[in-house]
Amino acid sequence: KAGVTQTPRYLIKTRGQQVTLSCSPISGHRSVSWYQQTPGQGLQFLFEYFSETQRNKGNFPGRFSGRQFSNSRSEMNVSTLELGDSALYLCASSGGLAGNYQETQYFGPGTRLLVL
Amino acid sequence: AQSVAQPEDQVNVAEGNPLTVKCTYSVSGNPYLFWYVQYPNRGLQFLLKYITGDNLVKGSYGFEAEFNKSQTSFHLKKPSALVSDSALYFCAVRDMAWDDKIIFGKGTRLHILP
Repeated sequence: KAGVTQTPRYLIKTRGQQVTLSCSPISGHRSVSWYQQTPGQGLQFLFEYFSETQRNKGNFPGRFSGRQFSNSRSEMNVSTLELGDSALYLCASSGGLAGNYQETQYFGPGTRLLVL
Repeated sequence: AQSVAQPEDQVNVAEGNPLTVKCTYSVSGNPYLFWYVQYPNRGLQFLLKYITGDNLVKGSYGFEAEFNKSQTSFHLKKPSALVSDSALYFCAVRDMAWDDKIIFGKGTRLHILP
């Protein structure tokens, strides 16, 4: 099976712009989660989607949003970019039924976003 | 609210020696515990998890971890370290009695010295 793929891998934006990142989960996986990784804050949970529904959300401002499509692919959007949004954004997918939090998450390589 | 702590930012171990990477957690209910490894410029790779059952969990690449409920710990161990084990290790927990979010520790950088 192909792994989790994320596009683009690298991105440079300027303050005030908006950005959309894409994640394609492992075939058959229905849950997709997004994380932000920075040297200072470590790995922080952004949101989790299952069957096109957001079922959990981290403590991030409303500028961060996401969605999931019927084929389980997911996108996250950050509007009005700030310098502090520079980070590695990781996507993870897992299979199983809704509520089955025992499932292992498989991570993509990440999208490295630099905001200038 | 749940939390997870990795008390050591860095651990140095000589090749061939046993290694331990520490993790402690705080949850309201029963924890689901995970260990992940991250190599440079890569995403996280799953190593092992504890859900229920045997307290000693065996995972990928010869790693194992022991769930200790009384000490609320889930330390990662390997009997004999390899240079290729050098990486960043993350412990994570889901508290099924709270809000189901997965929380990661800050990470521990493991250096295996040849």
